[in-house]
Amino acid sequence: GDSVTQMEGPVTLSEEAFLTINCTYTATGYPSLFWYVQYPGEGLQLLLKATKADDKGSNKGFEATYRKETTSFHLEKGSVQVSDSAVYFCALSDPYFNKFYFGSGTKLNVKP
Amino acid sequence: NAGVTQTPKFRVLKTGQSMTLLCAQDMNHEYMYWYRQDPGMGLRLIHYSVGEGTTAKGEVPDGYNVSRLKKQNFLLGLESAAPSQTSVYFCASSQRENNEQFFGPGTRLTVL
Repeated sequence: GDSVTQMEGPVTLSEEAFLTINCTYTATGYPSLFWYVQYPGEGLQLLLKATKADDKGSNKGFEATYRKETTSFHLEKGSVQVSDSAVYFCALSDPYFNKFYFGSGTKLNVKP
Repeated sequence: NAGVTQTPKFRVLKTGQSMTLLCAQDMNHEYMYWYRQDPGMGLRLIHYSVGEGTTAKGEVPDGYNVSRLKKQNFLLGLESAAPSQTSVYFCASSQRENNEQFFGPGTRLTVL
């Protein structure tokens, strides 16, 4: 069945460091891929998305490229800020099964 | 637009008590979802609805019931609360099954 696998956290970085959070997926068909962010005490917010292979989603300095050949959608940011501290969820939407799958989440701590 | 709202924000129940969580969306979305979020387990789908008057079971439906009498509302009921149902509950909605989901702020439920 479909699934999303994220790197386990927490990830702790210093401010201005480079961020990568790995996400790989298994899906039948051609899924859309998403990154959501959850700030403390809040619900999930869509951060970025990509709907087909080689698409790059970007928002607020974050980027992720839909790589069909490696079934990956890694989240990157060149210079993190303290305000980026949150939990990040990778997700996929599979049109074949009409299902939405979330990864387990990766907590990011950014220290000043 | 308020987006997705949830009522209440916090609740403490005793074992065996019942309650209803209300989710409302003003985006005219067809699909609505109830998730629970537990530490280290990410999001798990409880029930979902693909339109007014319809509901379906998700990954962890036992102990919960739902109703979608109006398109904009999705209710989650606990008939006899158990400590295992202590969790944070999130409601979400989407225009179609493959579209991005919009989340509410969550309800933190504690069952003693």
